[in-house]
Amino acid sequence: EDKVVQSPLSLVVHEGDTVTLNCSYEVTNFRSLLWYKQEKKAPTFLFMLTSSGIEKKSGRLSSILDKKELFSILNITATQTGDSAVYLCAVEDGEGAQKLVFGQGTRLTINP
Amino acid sequence: NAGVTQTPKFQVLKTGQSMTLQCAQDMNHEYMSWYRQDPGMGLRLIHYSVGAGITDQGEVPNGYNVSRSTTEDFPLRLLSAAPSQTSVYFCASSRTSGRVDTQYFGPGTRLTVL
Repeated sequence: EDKVVQSPLSLVVHEGDTVTLNCSYEVTNFRSLLWYKQEKKAPTFLFMLTSSGIEKKSGRLSSILDKKELFSILNITATQTGDSAVYLCAVEDGEGAQKLVFGQGTRLTINP
Repeated sequence: NAGVTQTPKFQVLKTGQSMTLQCAQDMNHEYMSWYRQDPGMGLRLIHYSVGAGITDQGEVPNGYNVSRSTTEDFPLRLLSAAPSQTSVYFCASSRTSGRVDTQYFGPGTRLTVL
């Protein structure tokens, strides 16, 4: 059975800190790994990773994938209170049409 | 473009009642899907559709029906609501089934079954 596990489940840091969120996975037919940010409503897309070792970057956020060890990390540097959210990792199973398997999410709280 | 719209935003049902959650998109997207999100959990795929007239089951399809008679609409039917179906439901769409990075989510429907 496909499985995506995120850690930690919850993290509280001070503004300005750097955080690393983890995502490990087991899927039968890996196609891609995605990161989403979810504030009060629907998830919004951050990154899609398909190749090992290639860092994707957007401002203070970056992510990398290791397909040999089956994990990805999401880094946020110089955190701001607006980064407070649930961060979801999802893996696309290539067996079916766009089947996404989500992890439980990491709830990140940034205190001023 | 309105994007992906869902109605209602909130709904309370009694056990055994039936209802339909509406989802519509105006982006001419082929692929649409329904997820549920329970507290402390990620999203789980209920049903999906790769085009009008074609639907398939996701991870947790039991108790739900879908149909896709038009490209724009993808309603989710609860046949006989149960407390275990209390959840937040998200509809999503993307241009094609191969473009997960361009998947747009609706604002969600919060359903409570008493």
